[in-house]
Amino acid sequence: GAVVSQHPSRVICKSGTSVKIECRSLDFQATTMFWYRQFPKQSLMLMATSNEGSKATYEQGVEKDKFLINHASLTLSTLTVTSAHPEDSSFYICSATGFDEQFFGPGTRLTVL
Amino acid sequence: AQTVTQSQPEMSVQEAETVTLSCTYDTSENNYYLFWYKQPPSRQMILVIRQEAYKQQNATENRFSVNFQKAAKSFSLKISDSQLGDTAMYFCATQRGGGSEKLVFGKGTKLTVNP
Repeated sequence: GAVVSQHPSRVICKSGTSVKIECRSLDFQATTMFWYRQFPKQSLMLMATSNEGSKATYEQGVEKDKFLINHASLTLSTLTVTSAHPEDSSFYICSATGFDEQFFGPGTRLTVL
Repeated sequence: AQTVTQSQPEMSVQEAETVTLSCTYDTSENNYYLFWYKQPPSRQMILVIRQEAYKQQNATENRFSVNFQKAAKSFSLKISDSQLGDTAMYFCATQRGGGSEKLVFGKGTKLTVNP
């Protein structure tokens, strides 16, 4: 089956620093990738839709200058949390579209101290 | 706009028994898809079952089946012969069109299978 990886799986950073999370489709090309965040015991909240070679489309209420998304190739999308604060601590999940289906990465747990 | 409602925050079932998780949705689309995803404690999202709205026949995947009532906009998931490994969060989702369109998730139902 199609595999999506995320790196790192967990990261701890200091308040004010930036953190980059990578999402890769390992065995297929994904023209579209999605980024979600999930707070404890809650559902997935879509942050943005990332299309290869174009600017990401952000959901209402998501700060595009804070959550920078780059989809430079058909197998890689990155999410950079800039000037991270404790309230950005969350579980971030990406998904990639292939074979008319979305495949999810294993998620990245971000903790901002 | 699409919305998905899961009215059961938590459910429990005894091992080997059957349980049904409820989901209702709203959409103005004619072409859409419905999904059930499982999120175990590892938090990896796993596709359980998928239903194309234009298909009247209910989808089945081994012990998992759906009851798709299009007019009522209802999409319930039945798990037969429940196993301990079925313990997870279950999310119902809808998608306009398919493939590259975004998924809209419900709030989820936490299912616990008891030995």
